[in-house]
Amino acid sequence: EVQLVESGGGLVQPGGSLRLTCAASGFTFSSYWLSWVRQAPGKGLEWVANIKGDGSEKHYVDSVKGRFTISRDNTGNLLYLHMISLRVEDAAVYYCARDKPAAAGSYDHWGQGTLVTVSS
Amino acid sequence: DIQMTQSPSSLSASVGDRVTISCRASQSISRYLNWYQQKPGEAPKLLISAASYLQGAVPSRFSGSGSGTDFTLTISSLQPEDLGTYYCQQSSSTPWTFGQGTKVEIK
Repeated sequence: EVQLVESGGGLVQPGGSLRLTCAASGFTFSSYWLSWVRQAPGKGLEWVANIKGDGSEKHYVDSVKGRFTISRDNTGNLLYLHMISLRVEDAAVYYCARDKPAAAGSYDHWGQGTLVTVSS
Repeated sequence: DIQMTQSPSSLSASVGDRVTISCRASQSISRYLNWYQQKPGEAPKLLISAASYLQGAVPSRFSGSGSGTDFTLTISSLQPEDLGTYYCQQSSSTPWTFGQGTKVEIK
């Protein structure tokens, strides 16, 4: 069974930093693109970043470029999102999601999400 | 960036009704269109990929159609468990973008 479990969310002040982790199991981790998708309270979904199975390609939405870094540990089956210079508008539930095979951008499995609150 | 626009933003329908949700892309995305269902307090769930490909275990009352810029999600006979918010998403080019969502309520 595919499982994605996020952790690392919490309360941080504007300008602060946080690292989110997604622990994966139940599939060949290194074979899949993975993404972070966020959802601000009461709002819609926003794709944040993705990373290729071998880590050789990464893409980001413009609003987080230079502040967020996506990475992965294929030995430990872990996906990360390192966030710095956090803004109030970054507050959201952050989901990790797995791309369908040969269908980049279509997410067939999601974690339960971890809440990031940015407030002074 | 490709903008995705859904209509309506919300709807209320009775059990057994046929429900249609529209999604329009700001430029052609071929058939790179996905539909997700999100129930309150849960993560989204992929219903349909590539505009019309129903995911395994998704009930056959759900169907998708369209290509280019105009797409439709249809629920042929609404059931109580279908309440939630439905999102379209383009996977033609990054940044992948979602519609604003359509909230489905049961009368």
